[in-house]
Amino acid sequence: NAGVTQTPKFQVLKTGQSMTLQCAQDMNHEYMSWYRQDPGMGLRLIHYSVGAGITDQGEVPNGYNVSRSTTEDFPLRLLSAAPSQTSVYFCASSVITSGPMNTGELFFGEGSRLTVL
Amino acid sequence: GDSVTQMEGPVTLSEEAFLTINCTYTATGYPSLFWYVQYPGEGLQLLLKATKADDKGSNKGFEATYRKETTSFHLEKGSVQVSDSAVYFCALSRELTFGSGTQLTVLP
Repeated sequence: NAGVTQTPKFQVLKTGQSMTLQCAQDMNHEYMSWYRQDPGMGLRLIHYSVGAGITDQGEVPNGYNVSRSTTEDFPLRLLSAAPSQTSVYFCASSVITSGPMNTGELFFGEGSRLTVL
Repeated sequence: GDSVTQMEGPVTLSEEAFLTINCTYTATGYPSLFWYVQYPGEGLQLLLKATKADDKGSNKGFEATYRKETTSFHLEKGSVQVSDSAVYFCALSRELTFGSGTQLTVLP
């Protein structure tokens, strides 16, 4: 019962470097999303997907790219890391209960802590 | 758009004290409402939920009632334990809008 698996758990980058945060779920959930968590700001939605081949922007999409080629995987790419992207990143998945954005319980990964120097 | 306003923390209580964390929302229609909990070093996990007005969600001694008339979903527990120390998030299902989180620390 793996649920949502995120890798890596920790990463340190230099400004300008690129990297991909991996996210995989084995629950056949249509909905997947990426959040960042910063002190005092709660969770902010970066990008989300309601199915393979479909992605959309959340509240804070700038500097991040996503793709959804399969139901299971939803990687988050940082093309040119900046210190402002230092954060803890969470991937989450859910069934879609009704309509495009009405979901059930979110299942979260354990998080990826990213530091950009 | 939808929004969630959550009581700001941090909240510090003694063991066995009564807990209330306020949550109010703005939304059209009838979204489901959730409380998530994040223990130190972990991801969020669902604590309880309510899918329609007047529903009461409950789990692990925590309760919250979906009040449409006051657009609220306050979290309560009658007697907190040290193990309840965590960050608590209120959330709406539509657009998965989260509150800013409330840090709870329970002292023995």
